[in-house]
Amino acid sequence: AQRVTQPEKLLSVFKGAPVELKCNYSYSGSPELFWYVQYSRQRLQLLLRHISRESIKGFTADLNKGETSFHLKKPFAQEEDSAMYYCALSGPETSGSRLTFGEGTQLTVNP
Amino acid sequence: GAVVSQHPSWVICKSGTSVKIECRSLDFQATTMFWYRQFPKQSLMLMATSNEGSKATYEQGVEKDKFLINHASLTLSTLTVTSAHPEDSSFYICSARDLETSWTDTQYFGPGTRLTVL
Repeated sequence: AQRVTQPEKLLSVFKGAPVELKCNYSYSGSPELFWYVQYSRQRLQLLLRHISRESIKGFTADLNKGETSFHLKKPFAQEEDSAMYYCALSGPETSGSRLTFGEGTQLTVNP
Repeated sequence: GAVVSQHPSWVICKSGTSVKIECRSLDFQATTMFWYRQFPKQSLMLMATSNEGSKATYEQGVEKDKFLINHASLTLSTLTVTSAHPEDSSFYICSARDLETSWTDTQYFGPGTRLTVL
């Protein structure tokens, strides 16, 4: 069965510091991995997906199949990055293209 | 693009009544919509997958007769909480997949509906 693990429920950094939000997954095939972000009082929105290999708002994430990880990184955190971040997975085994979410990491960027 | 709306944004009802929540894709067609439930400070829990023109697929442990889902068109899915009780109070979120980007499993989320059952 597929599973997504975000080991840190809370993460606090100072403005300008690098930040890494960890995500590990278990899946037997080739998954599609996503990072979604939920700012305070706003809807869940797509941040990035591994198939696009893009950088959004300075964030990047590389799929490491050997370590089954998809960590989210940003070299210089900003206060506006404070939000809840969810790692999610889908794939052929997740019938109907269902997303499996991790528990989420609350990122706080302090001034 | 890819905006999903939900109505109402919040609702308060008495125990025993039924509540209908609408989910609409505003600028795209969605053959598949999903309904989630989110408890405070917790992750999203998938309740059911809604496919246009067919019966919804419910996750294990979700009562079909309790949470009625109708996906009548490519832009509208509804979730009806029947005979609501206080334990049904929660934040209900829908999402939709864009038919035009069916090559990816990207979902676009609605703003959620806060249900409070007294």
